[in-house]
Amino acid sequence: DIVLTQSPGTLSLSPGERATLSCRASQSVSSSYLAWYQQKPGQAPRLLIYGASSRATGIPDRFSGSGSGTDFTLTISRLEPEDFAVYYCQQYGSSPPITFGQGTRLEIK
Amino acid sequence: QVQLQESGPGLVKPSETLSLTCTVSGGSFSSYYWNWIRQPPGKGLEWIGYIHYSGTTMYNPSLKSRVTISVDTSKNQFSLSLSSVTAADTAVYYCARGFTIFGIWFDYWGQGTLVTVSS
Repeated sequence: DIVLTQSPGTLSLSPGERATLSCRASQSVSSSYLAWYQQKPGQAPRLLIYGASSRATGIPDRFSGSGSGTDFTLTISRLEPEDFAVYYCQQYGSSPPITFGQGTRLEIK
Repeated sequence: QVQLQESGPGLVKPSETLSLTCTVSGGSFSSYYWNWIRQPPGKGLEWIGYIHYSGTTMYNPSLKSRVTISVDTSKNQFSLSLSSVTAADTAVYYCARGFTIFGIWFDYWGQGTLVTVSS
């Protein structure tokens, strides 16, 4: 099974700062097969990035994804107040075909 | 605008079967993968399985022996059945649409429904 490990567990930053979130896979993942989601309290997750670097419809360009192999990154260039949330990475691949990381909580410093 | 809405009992007794339905409106039902994903309180996301509109299914191996997902294309609905539930199955259950560009990604989600397993 491919396990996705996200770091850090919690990231404390201020609005306007740059956020860098990491997702590491236990085995190599095709760069096309990695996505990122944002989840706010009491809400369903929202798709941000798919295919490692393609922004979903309506997602601001301050969100960007990169990476390949086992190391992937979600970058938020300048944090807005509404960006403070929990972020999950997700891979599509071998059994089980779909897994999520455990999440990174982005909190206001 | 695509909308998904989960429905079903919020309380299920241990050893019984959890049954939920997701109703899809505002978009095409074909060409997509229809998924169930759950989230225990305060924890992360777990994919349960999907059904393609054609009827093809895929389940998480960790739940496969207890899960059935079915579809009713005439009603734009798909359903989840999870048998022999325990307290560990207590979670918010989401239905989600999966689109495929290389992988499967979830672009529309229901609001989620909390299912508690308790006697």
